[in-house]
Amino acid sequence: EAGVAQSPRYKIIEKRQSVAFWCNPISGHATLYWYQQILGQGPKLLIQFQNNGVVDDSQLPKDRFSAERLKGVDSTLKIQPAKLEDSAVYLCASSPVIAYEQYFGPGTRLTVT
Amino acid sequence: KQEVTQIPAALSVPEGENLVLNCSFTDSAIYNLQWFRQDPGKGLTSLLLIQSSQREQTSGRLNASLDKSSGRSTLYIAASQPGDSATYLCAVNQGAQKLVFGQGTRLTINP
Repeated sequence: EAGVAQSPRYKIIEKRQSVAFWCNPISGHATLYWYQQILGQGPKLLIQFQNNGVVDDSQLPKDRFSAERLKGVDSTLKIQPAKLEDSAVYLCASSPVIAYEQYFGPGTRLTVT
Repeated sequence: KQEVTQIPAALSVPEGENLVLNCSFTDSAIYNLQWFRQDPGKGLTSLLLIQSSQREQTSGRLNASLDKSSGRSTLYIAASQPGDSATYLCAVNQGAQKLVFGQGTRLTINP
């Protein structure tokens, strides 16, 4: 069974630029999550999708972050414009149903200079 | 608001020792608790998931326990090996809500 795929693996951008990350969950998993992990901290949930609907986006900085999951499968997370404090690893995870075990992708390491 | 704390932040032990990692949480109304492993530059690998009705789960040399009433979980690693070196994260799940993670324990096993 293929795992959660993410791209790119690494990205370096200057502040005020835009960036987008892509995630393809495990086949058949209805729930998809985006997490932000700042160095030395545990992951923090940004947004949770059930199929193509948003379940929880309470910690998503909506003035600069956006995410979509148009067909209920893969998802993109966008930052526009980026700030220095957005430097982090962005992790995507999926699960068959809400509150079940989550499976994580390798993450995208973003550096904002 | 749920808060998850892991102690210690870092731990270094010689190969072959048994060790315990600790996780505490402030709100006992959880659905399950999950232990993850994270290797440098990589994502999270799920190790064990304990449902709120369970007391412990075992997988190979790993044993995780859960005491929901006291808000504590431990991860026991038997006969540690250098390959166990990684950061270990615990996370609590409050039903349909998000996973809340601790900050992790960075474990180093010295040959």
